Amino acid sequence: AQSVTQLGSHVSVSEGALVLLRCNYSSSVPPYLFWYVQYPNQGLQLLLKYTTGATLVKGINGFEAEFKKSETSFHLTKPSAHMSDAAEYFCAVRGDSNYQLIWGAGTKLIIKP
Amino acid sequence: KAGVTQTPRYLIKTRGQQVTLSCSPISGHRSVSWYQQTPGQGLQFLFEYFSETQRNKGNFPGRFSGRQFSNSRSEMNVSTLELGDSALYLCASSSMPGAPVNTEAFFGQGTRLTVV
Repeated sequence: AQSVTQLGSHVSVSEGALVLLRCNYSSSVPPYLFWYVQYPNQGLQLLLKYTTGATLVKGINGFEAEFKKSETSFHLTKPSAHMSDAAEYFCAVRGDSNYQLIWGAGTKLIIKP
Repeated sequence: KAGVTQTPRYLIKTRGQQVTLSCSPISGHRSVSWYQQTPGQGLQFLFEYFSETQRNKGNFPGRFSGRQFSNSRSEMNVSTLELGDSALYLCASSSMPGAPVNTEAFFGQGTRLTVV
């Protein structure tokens, strides 16, 4: 069965510093991997996704993620954090049933001035 | 173009009551999915509707039900509310079924349900 583990329920970085949010997955089928962001009192917004092809995926707002099959990881990065990046980030993997995603527990990103 | 609209935004209900939540998808979208988000269980898929037909259902008890109307608006109903039903209920719309895996899903802001 598929599962997703996000390391760290909270991650704190200084404004301008590198953002690294970790996601590891397990999947019995070729993985489709997703990162979503949820701002306070908002719904979810797709940041980026990997299905096939290039393993380095660029998303919106300067975020990118790299699919590493050997490490079963799909970590999210951004070179320089901005105050507006403060939000909760969710990693997800395609489930056994093609229509469903298995979601990670989320990581709250805190930006220090 | 207007986004996904969920009403009401906040709701407080008593145990044993029932509740109906509404979701209006993006104009032209015919697929609506519902999710429950709680701190303990995270995001869980409830069901998906496309052209008024339920296509898929998650692992929730029969107290959770939904429907979709001919204008693609959808409602979900929870009967005999329990304290554990307190959650943020998110609706997502898409142009085709199978979102968010096969096509992009656009999420509403959610309805925050509190059961007391």
